[in-house]
Parts: sequence; C-alpha cells; structure tokens
Amino acid sequence: GIQVEQSPPDLILQEGANSTLRCNFSDSVNNLQWFHQNPWGQLINLFYIPSGTKQNGRLSATTVATERYSLLYISSSQTTDSGVYFCAVVPNSGGYNKLIFGAGTRLAVHP
Amino acid sequence: GAGVSQSPSNKVTEKGKDVELRCDPISGHTALYWYRQRLGQGLEFLIYFQGNSAPDKSGLPSDRFSAERTGESVSTLTIQRTQQEDSAVYLCASSPWGTLGYEQYFGPGTRLTVT
Repeated sequence: GIQVEQSPPDLILQEGANSTLRCNFSDSVNNLQWFHQNPWGQLINLFYIPSGTKQNGRLSATTVATERYSLLYISSSQTTDSGVYFCAVVPNSGGYNKLIFGAGTRLAVHP
Repeated sequence: GAGVSQSPSNKVTEKGKDVELRCDPISGHTALYWYRQRLGQGLEFLIYFQGNSAPDKSGLPSDRFSAERTGESVSTLTIQRTQQEDSAVYLCASSPWGTLGYEQYFGPGTRLTVT
C-alpha cells in the first residue's frame, strides 16, 4: 500500500521562528489533508489540499501531486502551535476515501 | 454548526468485557469513518460507511470488532471480549460527498483503557 513519510519527526522552535514540515507519499493520491493534534488530542483541520497552494493566516501549504509531496509552512510560530502535525492522504487506487496517516511531526515551540 | 461528537470520552473496562463506542457525525455528512490511535502513533483506519453502500471493513483488526450505522446518522463501534492491546483512542470522522467535497472532520475521540 501507499507509504506516507513525514519529516522531521521532531522539531523544537523558539517563539517567532519559521518552519517547514514535509510529507512525501509513494503513490498518486485523490486527497491530502494536514491536521494539528493539540495537546488534548483533538485533531484540527488545517488544510484540504490535494494540489496547489493555500494560505490561512500564519500557515500555508503546498502540494505538488506530480512529485508526490506536500509542504506545510508555519511562520512566526507561537507556543500554541505546539503539538503533532499529521499529513494524511487518500490513495487513487481503491480505498473508499479512507485516510492513510503519516507518523507525524512533533513540534514544540518555546517562549 | 455542531461538530462530530463521540461518547463516552473515556472508558475503562476489564479484559474480556464488551464495549460500545458511539459517534454522532456532522449533520448532512453522508460518509462516516472510524480510526484508532495507539499511544504516540498515527491513526489507523478501521471502517467506513457511505450512504447505502456496503461498508468498507478492511481495517478491522479482528472479528471481535464490528460497527453499525443507522442511515446517515449515529454509528456504534463494538469491541467484544476486549484485550489489553485494544487500549487506544478511537476517533470518528465524517465527511460530505461528491460535489460537496471529501474533507474529513474528526470528533474528540474515546479513550479506551482495558485493564
């Protein structure tokens, strides 16, 4: 089945710094979503981005479907950005729209 | 509007007991999914319902796991004869379909602990 790899696995930032998280996938996909899992375990939708570029405040994301990767940019990071960031894809081949998750990037933002 | 809701939020059970977990999807969402998240890991797909189509049960780890959905509303996930390895957070998601898009929205999860 499709492999979803996220990097880096762990990231420590000082408040105000910028960062880029990467998601590579091994096969073509129909859908791609980025989530933030906060320290209370809630999954928060960040982007629904099977292709192209989107921006929402300090966050933006780019998916290059033909090259099988997506990037999540966090600018001017805040302590509330801490948590785990997941990339999840729906593979083209079958799957009935089930999401396949990467292992996540664990982000800690220090004041 | 209201998001996906799940109950109970926490469940502690003894090994060998049966448990039922409930999910209320976002109103109007025709697709409903169950996932499992073990401690420190990503989410694993369990089962998926879409309208009147046969559910995709390909992610259920054993025949002790089953799920039902009534129409396009509530779903229950049942785990029979629970084992310690069933301890995890069980998350439910729902999504619209077709021209309305396929973005999945998650509930807060049920944390299951099997002692």
